[in-house]
Amino acid sequence: DTEVTQTPKHLVMGMTNKKSLKCEQHMGHRAMYWYKQKAKKPPELMFVYSYEKLSINESVPSRFSPECPNSSLLNLHLHALQPEDSALYLCASRGFRGSMVYGYTFGSGTRLTVV
Amino acid sequence: DAKTTQPTSMDCAEGRAANLPCNHSTISGNEYVYWYRQIHSQGPQYIIHGLKNNETNEMASLIITEDRKSSTLILPHATLRDTAVYYCIVRGTSGSRLTFGEGTQLTVNP
Repeated sequence: DTEVTQTPKHLVMGMTNKKSLKCEQHMGHRAMYWYKQKAKKPPELMFVYSYEKLSINESVPSRFSPECPNSSLLNLHLHALQPEDSALYLCASRGFRGSMVYGYTFGSGTRLTVV
Repeated sequence: DAKTTQPTSMDCAEGRAANLPCNHSTISGNEYVYWYRQIHSQGPQYIIHGLKNNETNEMASLIITEDRKSSTLILPHATLRDTAVYYCIVRGTSGSRLTFGEGTQLTVNP
């Protein structure tokens, strides 16, 4: 298995809703990432987990809450979002030299629309 | 990590080689050059990376100048499916960030 799987692929939520994005990989990667991508812009790093511990938070608002329950799963909990948070949310994991898949492997993303 | 400069857009005819340049004049000795691409509405895809020697894999070739201040990604026989945004990223071996610049929109025309 050389993939990063993200669910759901599309999500529409209201500003008062609580929802979660999920990311899963079974490549044994111990670093996992959340990126946010607005239309026609490059991906921007949000969070990094290394060995299931949060190592980087790029000053992301608290309405985004990441969670890494185990080495294969990464969640992004969403609460009280704003319409400007509508974007493509990408999950990635990182392999190391000698691993089956080297470099960063990205999922296909969750297209989030906040109404 | 060093900053990179890429052209905003490029066109290529189907079946011809696509040569995508990248300038990274502030690259330091332990930093690698990575190339990723992102096809519309998909996640970025790893293509190739190198330190100072030229590299080739099943997808592309990477040519790095001797002074390492610039590089070129070569897609030898571009197809319509190669239409994508191509990102050149310079990154050291330590640290966790992969930081994207604006990239080059490559359009392969029939």
